[in-house]
Amino acid sequence: AQSVTQPDIHITVSEGASLELRCNYSYGATPYLFWYVQSPGQGLQLLLKYFSGDTLVQGIKGFEAEFKRSQSSFNLRKPSVHWSDAAEYFCAVGAPTNAGKSTFGDGTTLTVKP
Amino acid sequence: NAGVMQNPRHLVRRRGQEARLRCSPMKGHSHVYWYRQLPEEGLKFMVYLQKENIIDESGMPKERFSAEFPKEGPSILRIQQVVRGDSAAYFCASSPRVVSASGRGRSGELFFGEGSRLTVL
Repeated sequence: AQSVTQPDIHITVSEGASLELRCNYSYGATPYLFWYVQSPGQGLQLLLKYFSGDTLVQGIKGFEAEFKRSQSSFNLRKPSVHWSDAAEYFCAVGAPTNAGKSTFGDGTTLTVKP
Repeated sequence: NAGVMQNPRHLVRRRGQEARLRCSPMKGHSHVYWYRQLPEEGLKFMVYLQKENIIDESGMPKERFSAEFPKEGPSILRIQQVVRGDSAAYFCASSPRVVSASGRGRSGELFFGEGSRLTVL
């Protein structure tokens, strides 16, 4: 069975500081990995995804994530956080045959201090 | 994301009533997924449908919940005899094809609606 763990429930960073959100997954083969962002009262927007190829993936809004098979991790990073990045972030893992049926982590809430 | 339309955005029901949530996928999308988000939790897969077919309902509760995606019209998630534990945000997502890392669906992704928030009194 696949699973996703986001160890940090809540993270606070100052505007302009760097950000790293952690994600660990459990899956028997190479998974299809996603990061989504959810603003309050809104749906989810895809930031980036990974299946194969370069383990460093670039996404929208200046985000990137690195797949590390040895650590079963897919951490999300941004070099300089903007106040508008405050939101909830979800990591998800999907089977390559039907990644639409994804397993989501419980999310990390990001607060940005001025 | 605005292309996936869900209604109602907010729905209040009393225990024992029925709730019907609608989802119109993006134009050209024939694959629909329903997810449920309980407070303080991530999304949990409920059901995957294509037009007129339920493909995978492994995440649906065995009783009171049903889903359909007719040939014409929106997909509907129906909850009969609602209980307080059904209070949650229900999200619909659509895709033009199976979101697969192989074959033609390689670059597929899900497009989510803004959700329907059900409150059961």
